[in-house]
Parts: sequence; structure tokens; C-alpha cells
Amino acid sequence: GAVVSQHPSRVICKSGTSVKIECRSLDFQATTMFWYRQFPKQSLMLMATSNEGSKATYEQGVEKDKFLINHASLTLSTLTVTSAHPEDSSFYICSARVGQGLPETQYFGPGTRLLVL
Amino acid sequence: QKEVEQDPGPLSVPEGAIVSLNCTYSNSAFQYFMWYRQYSRKGPELLMYTYSSGNKEDGRFTAQVDKSSKYISLFIRDSQPSDSATYLCAMSEGQGAQKLVFGQGTRLTINP
Repeated sequence: GAVVSQHPSRVICKSGTSVKIECRSLDFQATTMFWYRQFPKQSLMLMATSNEGSKATYEQGVEKDKFLINHASLTLSTLTVTSAHPEDSSFYICSARVGQGLPETQYFGPGTRLLVL
Repeated sequence: QKEVEQDPGPLSVPEGAIVSLNCTYSNSAFQYFMWYRQYSRKGPELLMYTYSSGNKEDGRFTAQVDKSSKYISLFIRDSQPSDSATYLCAMSEGQGAQKLVFGQGTRLTINP
């Protein structure tokens, strides 16, 4: 099956710093990638939808200036958490969609755990 | 009211038991229904998906959708300790629609 990787798997940073998370589709081209956030014992909440070569579409309530998304190629999308604060500590998961397929063709990465001190 | 409701559990059953996991939803436009399994500190992996109403079986897993009741279920037969994980339901409005809406997830433990 399709494989999606994320890097880093875990990051600890000081409050006020910026953190970049990479999401890569390893064996397929992903025109669309998605970024989710998951707090402990809660569900995945979609943050934004990223299409290659265009601006990301953010969900209501997600600050686009705080969560910068870049989708420069068909295999790489990055999420940068700018000026991170402790409340941004969470599990960030990306997914990539194969082609223009059905909703079930989203493949998820292993997630990145962010801890802001 | 959340679009998708799922009992977070935890649910603990003995090995070999039949497990029933359920979600309800309020958006009648949902057409695609998925079940994901998520192990601790890992990303979700797709278990099963169904389109519209009906049943779908894959090995020990059966997914049911009742659109009239806005209710979906996942049954696990002959449960194994390796089935211990969080199970998330997810839904989408249709082909080409990109957004998945997830339930809260049910934490399941199968006791040997």
C-alpha cells in the first residue's frame, strides 16, 4: 500500500520558537495532502487541506499565519508552527490522497508529537 | 451537537469475544463511511470502508451502515489481543469530497 512518512516523529521546543514538520508520500504522487491535529483522547481535527502548487485551505478557527503550510512538490508538504506556545502541544498527523480517488484513498503518516515547553 | 458521535470507552473484553463499535451522525449528506484503527502514538490505518447503506465483510471484520438511522457499526469476531487499539469512524460527503469527519475514537482492549 501507499506509504506516508513524517519527520520528525517527536519534537520538543521552547515557547516562542518555530517548528517545521515534513510529510512525504514515498511511493506515489499526492496532489492533495491534509494536516490534522489530535489532542489526547480526542479525535483527529482537520486543520487544512493542501494542494500542490496552490495555497492551503484552512478550516474555520485555524490561524493561517500561525500554521504555515507549503506543498511545493507532489511528494512533500510541510507544516510550520510559528511562535509555538504550550497550547500548541499536540499530535500532528498528515495524510496524502492518491490521485482524485475516493475518500478512503487517504493514507496517513505516523504522526509528529510536538511538546512546547 | 457534533457531526459524528462515538463513545470513547474504554471498552475491555476477553479474547475471543465479539466486539461491537458504533457511531452516530447528524449530516445526512455523508455517503462514505470508514473505520480506522490507531495504535498508541501512531497514525490511523484504514480498516474498512463502505458506500451508502449495507454490510461489508472482510475476514473477522464486518461494517454496517444504516443511513435511515444515521448509525454505523463495526463488528470484530474472534477478537485477539492484537486488536487492542483505538478505533475511529470517519465519514465523507461523497466522491471528490476531500474532508473526512472523524468520531472521537473508542479505545478497545482485548484481554488474553
